[in-house]
Amino acid sequence: LAKTTQPISMDSYEGQEVNITCSHNNIATNDYITWYQQFPSQGPRFIIQGYKTKVTNEVASLFIPADRKSSTLSLPRVSLSDTAVYYCLVGDGASGGYQKVTFGTGTKLQVIP
Amino acid sequence: GAGVSQTPSNKVTEKGKYVELRCDPISGHTALYWYRQSLGQGPEFLIYFQGTGAADDSGLPNDRFFAVRPEGSVSTLKIQRTERGDSAVYLCASSLAGGPPHEQFFGPGTRLTVL
Repeated sequence: LAKTTQPISMDSYEGQEVNITCSHNNIATNDYITWYQQFPSQGPRFIIQGYKTKVTNEVASLFIPADRKSSTLSLPRVSLSDTAVYYCLVGDGASGGYQKVTFGTGTKLQVIP
Repeated sequence: GAGVSQTPSNKVTEKGKYVELRCDPISGHTALYWYRQSLGQGPEFLIYFQGTGAADDSGLPNDRFFAVRPEGSVSTLKIQRTERGDSAVYLCASSLAGGPPHEQFFGPGTRLTVL
């Protein structure tokens, strides 16, 4: 499993765009990049996943450069409700079904009014 | 639709006691996972079921921990002779076979406190 490194914490004001970068230098060819969000007293929630280039959904965008050694989760115009811990995971997506995933300590995002 | 549910939401027990934690996965999800999360840390993998069988139990810390899923749906995590170090939030997740890789649906967790 590729190791990931992300900032421990970030602060942002409401209405700003937030970018959280994750490093995964040892990413393998079959690995996908997945981000989860966790609010206090709740389980993590899957928010976005990608393999290369850019992926966008209703919650966030995920930017992956050509070498795939890093990825950036972008949250547009954050609100107070986006205050949470964000986890970057990397794992084999080729086998389908089960993949053992490893959560690091994540990035604690604090949105300030 | 109904998500993953876990019961109880909180469990307080004394050192040395036995506890059972229950997980009801999303209907139709064949894969089920248990994690443990300590304060300030990310979830730590414990065990994975595909159907009724434990396909990967490499994360169970020792033989005091055991999990079952007899009918391929509900799962129970069992902890014998609890220790204070077992205090944590125990999370259950389920996923759909053939779904997007790593998309797991988590329950709210059971907070276990061992006094």
